[in-house]
Amino acid sequence: FLLTQPHSVSESPGKTVTISCTRTSGNIASNYVQWYQQRPGSSPTPVLFEDRRRPSGVPDRFSGSVDSTSNSASLTISGLQTEDEADYYCQSFDSDNWVFGGGTRLTVL
Amino acid sequence: EVQLVESGGVVAQPGGSLRISCAASGFNFDDYAMHWVRQTPGRGLEWVSFITWDSVSISYADSVKGRFTVSRDNGRKSVFLQMNNLKDEDTALYYCTRGSQLGDVQYFQQWGQGTLVTVSS
Repeated sequence: FLLTQPHSVSESPGKTVTISCTRTSGNIASNYVQWYQQRPGSSPTPVLFEDRRRPSGVPDRFSGSVDSTSNSASLTISGLQTEDEADYYCQSFDSDNWVFGGGTRLTVL
Repeated sequence: EVQLVESGGVVAQPGGSLRISCAASGFNFDDYAMHWVRQTPGRGLEWVSFITWDSVSISYADSVKGRFTVSRDNGRKSVFLQMNNLKDEDTALYYCTRGSQLGDVQYFQQWGQGTLVTVSS
């Protein structure tokens, strides 16, 4: 299966942005979805795991959801800050195979 | 502090072999599965391999199956990736990542800085 993300999104500081991740085959709800943030020049770090749980240290401005109707997961970032500008990748799993989405570049302008 | 330090990335020829390593510290290495994930500008992030804490369960992406072999040495707190019959498309930054503990959902909790593998004649 594939995970499809928008190539890029942009929003102003203080606003809210949502990034989608659509699973092309199989049920999005059948395996947890994770989200990773990768700032320029840095390695990825998880910002959400098990659809909506935040690792220690990740602010509650980051939230996640899954929608079986659209077969997609979403990452929502509220109160955007300039430090949120990064690439975001969704990731899920099926049959001994871990799959990443193509990534979404978030620009905070 | 959790640290994962990769090493061994070099320029290798197509058809050649290479072994990359990852030294872990700052956590109980025996308790965690480990993964290799690679990244290229064109193909983004791609999971490569997985190994459980006890090396009993191992998985590979189809793109590397039969060519790459993952192993670990818990005494040395290290994980390795032996890469044989290298192809141009194996050129990537290879990240060592810490997975989850037994029974937990497997995902990539911690990442190293990566080691660059370039396959070129």
